[in-house]
Amino acid sequence: GENVEQHPSTLSVQEGDSAVIKCTYSDSASNYFPWYKQELGKRPQLIIDIRSNVGEKKDQRIAVTLNKTAKHFSLHITETQPEDSAVYFCAAMYSGGGADGLTFGKGTHLIIQP
Amino acid sequence: DAGITQSPRHKVTETGTPVTLRCHQTENHRYMYWYRQDPGHGLRLIHYSYGVKDTDKGEVSDGYSVSRSKTEDFLLTLESATSSQTSVYFCAISSGTSGSRYFGPGTRLLVL
Repeated sequence: GENVEQHPSTLSVQEGDSAVIKCTYSDSASNYFPWYKQELGKRPQLIIDIRSNVGEKKDQRIAVTLNKTAKHFSLHITETQPEDSAVYFCAAMYSGGGADGLTFGKGTHLIIQP
Repeated sequence: DAGITQSPRHKVTETGTPVTLRCHQTENHRYMYWYRQDPGHGLRLIHYSYGVKDTDKGEVSDGYSVSRSKTEDFLLTLESATSSQTSVYFCAISSGTSGSRYFGPGTRLLVL
């Protein structure tokens, strides 16, 4: 089955700086890569996703890049703000396969220092 | 928030007692999932359903059973709760196998 590794487990950045979270996956058939943000005590919420037919996707201050050859994808947050503080999860799956196929990384705790 | 609710939101129970958690959706989505979230483990799939009365096991299904008698409701049962099942339980829904999952608010379960 799929295995997703996420790094770092904790990331502290100054407000206004950029943050990058990286994930690697093992199954070359995986073709869907979502990112979730979870604030303390809240549910995980989908913030951005990318499919394997594109290399990069942006939505305002967040972007995701995908390198299929190296089997890794990254979340980039620019001009970080206090409300970006949260735990971020990456995930990978082969869409079109079984309904259970989404595998999550263990999460990155992003801390924005004022 | 995608029309998903969970009940109860918090529960304290004793080892050996049965516990049932309910997930209710108003989106008429075919797929429903139960995950547990523990520190250092991320989100792990317990069971999932791909239609009424159609369910299957996930990564950490031991000690859990599920039922889905209606499209809108997916129940998770701990037949005899153990302390290792203390966790936060999230239900999720999906409209298809495309991948996008939308989570409920979670149930915090403490087994003493």
